[in-house]
Amino acid sequence: ELKVEQNPLFLSMQEGKNYTIYCNYSTTSDRLYWYRQDPGKSLESLFVLLSNGAVKQEGRLMASLDTKARLSTLHITAAVHDLSATYFCAVPLNNAGNMLTFGGGTRLMVKP
Amino acid sequence: DSGVTQTPKHLITATGQRVTLRCSPRSGDLSVYWYQQSLDQGLQFLIQYYNGEERAKGNILERFSAQQFPDLHSELNLSSLELGDSALYFCASNPRGTGVTGELFFGEGSRLTVL
Repeated sequence: ELKVEQNPLFLSMQEGKNYTIYCNYSTTSDRLYWYRQDPGKSLESLFVLLSNGAVKQEGRLMASLDTKARLSTLHITAAVHDLSATYFCAVPLNNAGNMLTFGGGTRLMVKP
Repeated sequence: DSGVTQTPKHLITATGQRVTLRCSPRSGDLSVYWYQQSLDQGLQFLIQYYNGEERAKGNILERFSAQQFPDLHSELNLSSLELGDSALYFCASNPRGTGVTGELFFGEGSRLTVL
């Protein structure tokens, strides 16, 4: 059974600080996805990582994938309040399909 | 706006009742996925349809069923509702069952409250 674990589950940080969210998964996968969710809202796709060593950056967020370690990181640089949200990583149930198994989410709160 | 449309946005009903949630995928997308998001279970994959046919099943209860119609919209039917069925139900779509990126595009969700 595929398990996807994120840590931390909750992160409170001050504006201007850096931090990293970790996503570990239990079975082989060469793809991983990061989503953002604002309270009560939909899931917005942030990054699609399709191979080992993939690195994607958008603004203050950077995601990377290490398929050998079964680990992805989401790094936040110089956090701002607008980044406050819940971040999910997701891994396909198998490489042939698109049924995503989601991590438990990391709730990020950025304080002024 | 992802292009995936879900109705209703909010629904309040009583235990034992039956409800239907509706989803229209993005134009041209053949696959529809249903997910349930609750505080205790997180985001759970329920079921996938591809071009009218069931493609995969996840943690979907027997009281729940779904279908995808020829125009590609999908409906999720929830029956004999229990308090624990209260959740946010998301629909997502992507162009093919095994697309190049596999990225899913989610609708705004239907929030179901069972009293």
